[in-house]
Amino acid sequence: KAGVTQTPRYLIKTRGQQVTLSCSPISGHRSVSWYQQTPGQGLQFLFEYFSETQRNKGNFPGRFSGRQFSNSRSEMNVSTLELGDSALYLCASSLYRGDRNEQFFGPGTRLTVL
Amino acid sequence: GDSVTQMEGPVTLSEEAFLTINCTYTATGYPSLFWYVQYPGEGLQLLLKATKADDKGSNKGFEATYRKETTSFHLEKGSVQVSDSAVYFCALTEIKAAGNKLTFGGGTRVLVKP
Repeated sequence: KAGVTQTPRYLIKTRGQQVTLSCSPISGHRSVSWYQQTPGQGLQFLFEYFSETQRNKGNFPGRFSGRQFSNSRSEMNVSTLELGDSALYLCASSLYRGDRNEQFFGPGTRLTVL
Repeated sequence: GDSVTQMEGPVTLSEEAFLTINCTYTATGYPSLFWYVQYPGEGLQLLLKATKADDKGSNKGFEATYRKETTSFHLEKGSVQVSDSAVYFCALTEIKAAGNKLTFGGGTRVLVKP
């Protein structure tokens, strides 16, 4: 079974631009969550999607948004990029929602903002 | 809010040494607890989990016991190998979050020398 895939793996943008990252979950998984990983702030929850609906959102500005499609693939978008948005963005998928549910992570997209 | 505190690294060990990484948590509910591992250039992999008090999670020689009385979930391995060099993250999810939101500790880098 293929794992979680994220595209692109690396991205370089300049301040003020916008970016879209993509995540394809494991086949059959309906929940997709996004996390931002930085050396200073560590791993922080961005949002979770389940059945095309955002179910949970972390403490990030409105410049960060996402969506989920009917095939469970998800995209996240960051508008008006800032230098501080440089990070590894990780996507995780799981079968269900719930605290005991195992989440499977993708390799991440490394975003560099210049 | 919920939080996870783990010992700062780096932790440097010789092969076959005993490894302990301390993890304590704060949560208003009754969380499930996880240890994830991140190898260089990769996403996170679930190492083990425990969903109720006194549960012991184990995998690949690693163990951790859910201690509700001390709100701890310390990771141990009796004999480490060079291949165990990685960053280890303690994490929790809570029922009241009604979803898959993981709250992570800051990570502990482990370096095992031959």
